[in-house]
Amino acid sequence: ETGVTQSPTHLIKTRGQQVTLRCSSQSGHNTVSWYQQALGQGPQFIFQYYREEENGRGNFPPRFSGLQFPNYSSELNVNALELDDSALYLCASSGRTGPTGELFFGEGSRLTVL
Amino acid sequence: GEDVEQSLFLSVREGDSSVINCTYTDSSSTYLYWYKQEPGAGLQLLTYIFSNMDMKQDQRLTVLLNKKDKHLSLRIADTQTGDSAIYFCAEVGRSWGKLQFGAGTQVVVTP
Repeated sequence: ETGVTQSPTHLIKTRGQQVTLRCSSQSGHNTVSWYQQALGQGPQFIFQYYREEENGRGNFPPRFSGLQFPNYSSELNVNALELDDSALYLCASSGRTGPTGELFFGEGSRLTVL
Repeated sequence: GEDVEQSLFLSVREGDSSVINCTYTDSSSTYLYWYKQEPGAGLQLLTYIFSNMDMKQDQRLTVLLNKKDKHLSLRIADTQTGDSAIYFCAEVGRSWGKLQFGAGTQVVVTP
């Protein structure tokens, strides 16, 4: 148990639709990062939020957006879904933006785009 | 750019030691990680090492870091069937929170 929970665990959407994925961070953790893991690959960094502000972004288009709330929970929104967006989306939380070592992941939300 | 490479597959007999290797290119790496992923599950943090360390031991796990060669290894002693999984090496450099992952090494433990 990492204390990081994600919802929904599985969902199916069609091309062009929009999706919102949610993450509840481990208690006391104010930094959340989102990753996309395509089948058979390692996770790819999407972006990170610290105190409700985006604090770093990977090589993903603007249709991938996020929010972090005052209670440090977070959302990942993807607009205009494409087939290649099918993946496991992982949320990770840590205590602060500086290197502390520990970065804990949730179980992920598996998105299928048809 | 940043890159992390791992061998894709390792087969090991139950009770033997497993060694999973990883190379990385980012000389500014601060922390290096090993994560375990079982089928259909998220990533479980196994262990991590700060870049100024050469070795870290945690029960059955031993991490070795050769910073000069940018080589990281994970040794699992007395490998069990429950150790069958995909193991990911990852590093973080200047952009804290942006972990760079390898493609993963699938470890299969045979009786």
